[in-house]
This record gives sequence, structure tokens and C-alpha cells, in this order.
Amino acid sequence: SSELTQDPAVSVALGQTVRITCRGDSLRTSYASWFRQKPGQAPVLVIYAKNNRPSGVPDRFSASSSGNTASLTIIGAQAEDEADYYCNSRDSSGNPRLFGGGTKLTVL
Amino acid sequence: QVQLVESGGGVVQPGGSLRLSCTASGFSFTTYAMHWVRQAPGKGLEWVAVIWNNVSDKRFADSVKGRFTISRDDSKNTVYLQMNSLTAEDTAVYFCARDLDYYDDTGYYRELDYWGQGTLVTVSS
Repeated sequence: SSELTQDPAVSVALGQTVRITCRGDSLRTSYASWFRQKPGQAPVLVIYAKNNRPSGVPDRFSASSSGNTASLTIIGAQAEDEADYYCNSRDSSGNPRLFGGGTKLTVL
Repeated sequence: QVQLVESGGGVVQPGGSLRLSCTASGFSFTTYAMHWVRQAPGKGLEWVAVIWNNVSDKRFADSVKGRFTISRDDSKNTVYLQMNSLTAEDTAVYFCARDLDYYDDTGYYRELDYWGQGTLVTVSS
């Protein structure tokens, strides 16, 4: 299956740690990248190449993977982290066309 | 800095056609594959199409295959999405995205590293 599954919504108290997960068969053979999207804005890459952060992304963001599950972890969540988060993986030819359904993160 | 600017969105009747453009600046456009990704209102991201920098290689999502075509004009730093036989299910914000591919000592990677702000396509009678 080429589907990636994410929990629709997750909440976290300000300053606490939250993990957002992504499950799918493609993750057994390919890595996940992660995007953050705020309302009315384009997606922004926050994790690439398994666990690397583009310039400007805080180091409280990290990623990991095991088996068919990839995870995005935010340690010490801030109010500005409230957004939708999407995982992204690659098909068997390496095309990054697979997206999870998105997780809406609420920071309480 | 890298910029991608989409245009061409609007309201079109079912069965109609529309051509979207994405004009790039701030990088060497000819060396990158380019994607279109769409997002229906209140929904998640859906990959639509890719065109490699050799132009001959293109791929499409099953949902648009046979109706959409993708092309590029490297002299204008622009990628196009021609959309035909549109239905209400094609209503979405359409984003273009750059495909960064590279090797390092841990493997081969492809990332959608920069995105435009999107253009809204509404299919309605």
C-alpha cells in the first residue's frame, strides 16, 4: 500500500513534548520528511533526509523511524508550533509523492 | 532567494480547462525537477505531477492521468500544469514545489524543499 496514516489531531501543553506519528508500508524502504503548514500558508519543510533541519527550524524538532512508523518529536512545544503537520515519503522509484493525511497540532 | 510564484487559478465550469503557471527565481531552474501538489479545501496534501529536468520524464497521479499534462519552459523558468476535463473534485489550491535531489554519505535523497504560495482553482457551475 502507498498510504501514509497520521492521527488527525494531537494536543500538547505549552513547553511539553509531543510526538506525531506516520505509518505506512513505504516507510519500511524509504524515509520520511516532515512539513509544517499554518492556515493560509504553503507547507514548509521542517525535517529532511531522515532527521535534518533546514536553516531556521528550531532544534526542538527531531525525527526518528522504526519499521513502518516515522515520528516527528517536538521537545518543549511553543505556541508558534501550532499547525498542521504532514509526513512525506517516496514510492519505489524514489518519487516523493506520498503524503500522510496530516495531524493538527494544538498547543494548549 | 528561492521564489516560486503560481498563477492562472480561477473559477471554471465542470468540463472546462485551465492552465496554471509557476515561475521560479533565485536558483538554476534547469537543474531541478518540479512538482505540482494540490490541497482541496479543508483537506490534506495530494501530489499531482512531476516533470524532470530532462523534460522527457513526467509522472502523474492516477486521479489526474489522461486529463492533466505538465510541461516546462526553461527559457522562462516556468513550469505549467494544463488541466482539462475538470470536475468539482479538482477544486483545490495548487502548489508548485522544487525537487531537490542529492547524494551524501548516507544515501540518495529527494526533497520538496521550496513551495510557492499556491493558486486556487474552483470548478463550479
